Amino acid sequence: EAGVAQSPRYKIIEKRQSVAFWCNPISGHATLYWYQQILGQGPKLLIQFQNNGVVDDSQLPKDRFSAERLKGVDSTLKIQPAKLEDSAVYLCASSLDRTGWDGYTFGSGTRLTVV
Amino acid sequence: AQSVTQLGSHVSVSEGALVLLRCNYSSSVPPYLFWYVQYPNQGLQLLLKYTSAATLVKGINGFEAEFKKSETSFHLTKPSAHMSDAAEYFCAVSPYSSASKIIFGSGTRLSIRP
Repeated sequence: EAGVAQSPRYKIIEKRQSVAFWCNPISGHATLYWYQQILGQGPKLLIQFQNNGVVDDSQLPKDRFSAERLKGVDSTLKIQPAKLEDSAVYLCASSLDRTGWDGYTFGSGTRLTVV
Repeated sequence: AQSVTQLGSHVSVSEGALVLLRCNYSSSVPPYLFWYVQYPNQGLQLLLKYTSAATLVKGINGFEAEFKKSETSFHLTKPSAHMSDAAEYFCAVSPYSSASKIIFGSGTRLSIRP
């Protein structure tokens, strides 16, 4: 089966610019997650979707970050405007059900550098 | 709130030696526990999981972990390290409830000496 696809792999932008990341989860996986992984730290959940609805976005900085999963399949995460501290790897993951207890499948991530 | 603490941000062992990566959890209810591995420039891959069945859990690549409630620990072990085991390892916790999310520790980087 195809894995979780993410693009782009790398992105360098200047602060105050905007950027968007795309994720296509494994076919049939109802739950999609966006994580932020800052260098030297563990991944931190930004937002969790169940189909096209938001389950948890409590740690999403909503003044600058937004995410959507309009048709319940692929998803886009946007940052506008970017700050230096947004430099991180953005990981997308999916799971078959809402609990994720069977484990998540992660994409390879998008490495964002804000200069 | 649930959390995990990984003791040691970097562990180095010789090839063929025992690998021991430590993880302690904090949870008010019986949790589900996971170990994930991340190779350079890749996403995370599930190694093994504890979901309240057997306390000794076997995973991929010869790794295993033991759930010890009395010690609130879920340490990861492998009897004999291989060069290909060099990676970042993350312990993670999820509470036993319907609306759960997985919370990751800060990670332990494992290096293997020839």
